[in-house]
Amino acid sequence: RKEVEQDPGPFNVPEGATVAFNCTYSNSASQSFFWYRQDCRKEPKLLMSVYSSGNEDGRFTAQLNRASQYISLLIRDSKLSDSATYLCVVQSFGNEKLTFGTGTRLTIIP
Amino acid sequence: NAGVTQTPKFQVLKTGQSMTLQCAQDMNHEYMSWYRQDPGMGLRLIHYSVGAGITDQGEVPNGYNVSRSTTEDFPLRLLSAAPSQTSVYFCASEGGYEQYFGPGTRLTVT
Repeated sequence: RKEVEQDPGPFNVPEGATVAFNCTYSNSASQSFFWYRQDCRKEPKLLMSVYSSGNEDGRFTAQLNRASQYISLLIRDSKLSDSATYLCVVQSFGNEKLTFGTGTRLTIIP
Repeated sequence: NAGVTQTPKFQVLKTGQSMTLQCAQDMNHEYMSWYRQDPGMGLRLIHYSVGAGITDQGEVPNGYNVSRSTTEDFPLRLLSAAPSQTSVYFCASEGGYEQYFGPGTRLTVT
């Protein structure tokens, strides 16, 4: 089983719709969680950290469920500029190393 | 601030050749790392460094060497290129839990 698993998609979603991705992780010692965004042929960039209480940044909401070992990303009122690959990233306690999911590809359709 | 810079952007090597991928950051970050990204595999850690003079192996270190003589620079050396090393290589530095990635080097080994 992969340490971090994501549905690769692609998700093709009309502009203005709401879309949600899930990501599951296998290491129960994982402590820090992130969503990164990667545009085509570009480097990954941090979208948001995921906190236990959940957090929101504009149209983006991230949630963590430790009991079921998954994190989610919700995008509301999707824009064409949201088209990208979204990477789920997990970090274990006391370990600098990150484990990346393979990414979920999202395309927003006009 | 240039952030994280990588050179070259593109490189084609023949099997058996050696080369060095350059990485530099101007954010005074102690932690730096090298990843490779392959389709369907996600980003995989090759080597990392927690400070000048200190390096360690990641998930896929075979065929690669690193050194860290200064805080700013973290070059990755391919000893004897193989077609399996065809990939996109990203260097990253970490500040405050965020990974800052360079623009990547697209390497093809024929």
